Amino acid sequence: GDSVTQMEGPVTLSEEAFLTINCTYTATGYPSLFWYVQYPGEGLQLLLKATKADDKGSNKGFEATYRKETTSFHLEKGSVQVSDSAVYFCALSDFRGAQKLVFGQGTRLTINP
Amino acid sequence: NAGVTQTPKFQVLKTGQSMTLQCAQDMNHNSMYWYRQDPGMGLRLIYYSASEGTTDKGEVPNGYNVSRLNKREFSLRLESAAPSQTSVYFCASSEVPDTGELFFGEGSRLTVL
Repeated sequence: GDSVTQMEGPVTLSEEAFLTINCTYTATGYPSLFWYVQYPGEGLQLLLKATKADDKGSNKGFEATYRKETTSFHLEKGSVQVSDSAVYFCALSDFRGAQKLVFGQGTRLTINP
Repeated sequence: NAGVTQTPKFQVLKTGQSMTLQCAQDMNHNSMYWYRQDPGMGLRLIYYSASEGTTDKGEVPNGYNVSRLNKREFSLRLESAAPSQTSVYFCASSEVPDTGELFFGEGSRLTVL
């Protein structure tokens, strides 16, 4: 079945550092890809998405490009802030009948001042 | 705006006890979902309801039942709780046609002793 694999965490960076969180997927069709973020004590919220190959999703300084040839959707940010500390989840959706997302295991990011 | 509201936020049960997690959304969404979140495993879909009056099994339905009471409410019931059901449970909702964006509640932390 469809699956998502993320780089293992936790990841700890200093403020203003460059961030990459790797995400690769396995899917039979052409899924849409998502990054969700979970701040401490909260539910998940959509950070960005891409619906077809070569699309770039972006939001709040984060971006990710849908790479069909490498089945990847890596999350990047040029200069992280303490407020970016959270757990980040990569996910895919096959849209069959309902919005059923398949999530990666999550990557905990901590940014130190 | 309330969005997706889950109750209770915390619950401790003994093995064999039953309980119901309640979820309500005020966004007039058609689809609703129950996920569980376990360390190192991301979120896994338990049950979902594509529209009022329908429910379907997700990836890990064993030991759970659901009821789509009306368009707003979707409850998750544990008939005989087991320690393996210790987890954080998230309810979510989404609009149809699918956009890829799920709106999550803040989660319910369940401990089964």
